[in-house]
Amino acid sequence: QVQLVESGGGVVQPGGSLRLSCAASGFTFSTYGIHWVRQAPGKGLEWVALIRYDGNNKYYAESVKGRFTISRDNSKNTLYLQMNSLSADDTALYYCARDGYTYGDDYFDYWGQGTLVTVSS
Amino acid sequence: QSALTQPASVSGSPGQSTTISCTGTSSDVGGYNYVSWYQQHPGKAPKLMIYDVSNRPSGVSNRFSGSKSGNTASLTISGLQAEDEADYYCSSYTSSSTRYVFGTGTKVTVL
Repeated sequence: QVQLVESGGGVVQPGGSLRLSCAASGFTFSTYGIHWVRQAPGKGLEWVALIRYDGNNKYYAESVKGRFTISRDNSKNTLYLQMNSLSADDTALYYCARDGYTYGDDYFDYWGQGTLVTVSS
Repeated sequence: QSALTQPASVSGSPGQSTTISCTGTSSDVGGYNYVSWYQQHPGKAPKLMIYDVSNRPSGVSNRFSGSKSGNTASLTISGLQAEDEADYYCSSYTSSSTRYVFGTGTKVTVL
């Protein structure tokens, strides 16, 4: 069965950095795009970033562009999100979610349970 | 890119139907058939309910249906059940610099 397990969250000071990971299993990782989606406490969902199946195309929300970098290692079935210059506005539960289409992108069919990032001094 | 607009809350009695709207623009909802809907129970990850406007993944009850007219998409829940009480979010591909956008979210209450 498809499984996505996020890790790497924690408490970080404003201006600091953090790297999140998402370990995937139960499907052919190298044929699917993967997204990061976040949810601030008590708030709605916000799309953060997408990396296409081969890692050659990446897309970012305006709110994180230039500060966050999405990457993947298809040999390790793992997705990453490098987050720099963090601010309180980045405090959220970060989910990784598989795209529903092989070799494309369209919707989010499987989600992990999320990893919490708290930016606070 | 602003979030898609959803009503903050809707409610209905068990067995009734309720519809949630999701309003965007011609750059997102109105321009593409890449609208999806997600159900989220408290403390849980979102779950895909509808994709590509009106397609239901296997395992999702046929009480859930989706449609679109112009710049507004809709999710209808028929035969409301207590387990349907949750937050619901729409999402759409967008031609703006942000590739995807979510709706503001709707809390469904079963009276």
